[in-house]
Amino acid sequence: GENVEQHPSTLSVQEGDSAVIKCTYSDSASNYFPWYKQELGKRPQLIIDIRSNVGEKKDQRIAVTLNKTAKHFSLHITETQPEDSAVYFCAAIGTGYALNFGKGTSLLVTP
Amino acid sequence: GAVVSQHPSWVICKSGTSVKIECRSLDFQATTMFWYRQFPKQSLMLMATSNEGSKATYEQGVEKDKFLINHASLTLSTLTVTSAHPEDSSFYICSGTGTMETQYFGPGTRLLVL
Repeated sequence: GENVEQHPSTLSVQEGDSAVIKCTYSDSASNYFPWYKQELGKRPQLIIDIRSNVGEKKDQRIAVTLNKTAKHFSLHITETQPEDSAVYFCAAIGTGYALNFGKGTSLLVTP
Repeated sequence: GAVVSQHPSWVICKSGTSVKIECRSLDFQATTMFWYRQFPKQSLMLMATSNEGSKATYEQGVEKDKFLINHASLTLSTLTVTSAHPEDSSFYICSGTGTMETQYFGPGTRLLVL
């Protein structure tokens, strides 16, 4: 089955700096890669996603890049703010639309 | 985006009892619903996939007789934790998907088994 690796597990940046989180996947048939933000005790919220026919997607301060050949994709957050502090999960679609999640990255943005 | 509700939001029960968790898609028809379990400071682990009107598909290591899943309609799926034990204490989250891959998550149910 699909195996998703996510790095780093923790990331601390200063407000205004950029944050980058990287993921790799194993199943070359995967074609949908969402990113979720989860605050403590709450549900995961979809923040951005990308499909395999696109190499990059941007939404304001958030961007995702995808390299299908290398089977990795990354989340970029620019001009980070304290409210960006949360746990971020990458995921790749497996069989039957099931999501395989990475282990998560705990992002801390310090003022 | 689409809305998924989950009930109850938290439950405390005695060891040996059964607990039922409901997951509803409020404004779309969820042809497929997923159940995840999340332990503290860990990722979401898929437990099972359910399609309306058919039996759920369980992930390896998840006991189907312990975690009963019913997906009787396009807007409702239920997870019953039977004979719950303390090690079943966790955060259970459902999600639903319609015709596309995007999954919409419920708010989760925090289960504590004493």
